[in-house]
Amino acid sequence: DVKVTQSSRYLVKRTGEKVFLECVQDMDHENMFWYRQDPGLGLRLIYFSYDVKMKEKGDIPEGYSVSREKKERFSLILESASTNQTSMYLCASSQQGTGANVLTFGAGSRLTVL
Amino acid sequence: QKEVEQNSGPLSVPEGAIASLNCTYSDRVSQSFFWYRQYSGKSPELIMSIYSNGDKEDGRFTAQLNKASQYVSLLIRDSQPSDSATYLCAVVPYNTDKLIFGTGTRLQVFP
Repeated sequence: DVKVTQSSRYLVKRTGEKVFLECVQDMDHENMFWYRQDPGLGLRLIYFSYDVKMKEKGDIPEGYSVSREKKERFSLILESASTNQTSMYLCASSQQGTGANVLTFGAGSRLTVL
Repeated sequence: QKEVEQNSGPLSVPEGAIASLNCTYSDRVSQSFFWYRQYSGKSPELIMSIYSNGDKEDGRFTAQLNKASQYVSLLIRDSQPSDSATYLCAVVPYNTDKLIFGTGTRLQVFP
């Protein structure tokens, strides 16, 4: 019954490494989102996409990029990981229209950058 | 001022009591309001949405919206230990279609 799948539950990377976080949804949703969640800061939007090959910056895009080559897949890329990118990363998806803010989240990817 | 503010808690209530979770927001013309629940170690899930002033009830949950006071609340009646979680308030400001989340209130229901 898993609907939003994130490829890695836990990752440990070194400073400067390139990191790929993959997210796949099977609900045929148009909208996909990447958030990071940190204690005391809540959920912050990194990037989102309303369609294939479309992407828009969220509130904290610096140091990140994304790719959406297929409707069901939305990847988050850290070109050169830094310690301040240690966080829980949550992918979410939603329908267009009235359901746009009804987000279905994946289980999360906890990234530690050493 | 943060766009969406919540008391971080923890809010501790005994089993069977009413838990009242509050949220204030800064954008006067926000249109849509949501409550998400997040169990420890899990991802958030939507439990309530509300769009107009007044109360909206769904089982043991009631969302209350007062746009004049820029205030939205969630009441949980007959609280159960299984309601222990962090409750995230989320708002869609008028000039954007993106959700803005509060930092959440941790609720503890003790037997």
